[in-house]
Amino acid sequence: AQKVTQAQTEISVVEKEDVTLDCVYETRDTTYYLFWYKQPPSGELVFLIRRNSFDEQNEISGRYSWNFQKSTSSFNFTITASQVVDSAVYFCALSERNYGGATNKLIFGTGTLLAVQP
Amino acid sequence: DGGITQSPKYLFRKEGQNVTLSCEQNLNHDAMYWYRQDPGQGLRLIYYSQIVNDFQKGDIAEGYSVSREKKESFPLTVTSAQKNPTAFYLCASIQGSAEAFFGQGTRLTVV
Repeated sequence: AQKVTQAQTEISVVEKEDVTLDCVYETRDTTYYLFWYKQPPSGELVFLIRRNSFDEQNEISGRYSWNFQKSTSSFNFTITASQVVDSAVYFCALSERNYGGATNKLIFGTGTLLAVQP
Repeated sequence: DGGITQSPKYLFRKEGQNVTLSCEQNLNHDAMYWYRQDPGQGLRLIYYSQIVNDFQKGDIAEGYSVSREKKESFPLTVTSAQKNPTAFYLCASIQGSAEAFFGQGTRLTVV
């Protein structure tokens, strides 16, 4: 069965520190997709990144970077030089692809609340 | 502008009442999802639909019902059988394996 674990419930850092948010997943399938979303206080989820199971290349986008390791079933997210505007809840999510080609249900982790102090 | 719209933003329900949350998308996405979020908790899947006139239960479907008569609409009814409905409800739509687009959410409170 699908499962996403975000063991860090809350993280507090001081501005300009680097911070890594952990995500561990479980799936039976060989074809799946992993996502990270940001939820600011307004409540709406903002898409950050999508990664398919065949692409283990790490990705960097500005201050954000993602480390995908199939061997440990992890998809960790690092924010470099954090800023107060990065304060939000961050969710990791997983979807499997069914045999019909469409995606199966999209499952989220419990989220990590990141507080960046000035 | 393409997007996904949830209404109302705030909703109050009396004990024993059924209420319906609206979710409309003009992105031409096949799949639509409903999630529930409680304070300090993650998103839990209530129902999802991958095609018109078809839907599947998620992890916490009890006390909820949905319909998918049109591709662009996926309303969620919170029935009186749902004993603890106070929560933040999020609707999403997805096309294929792309990212999910979310609405702004509906905050439901039992009074």
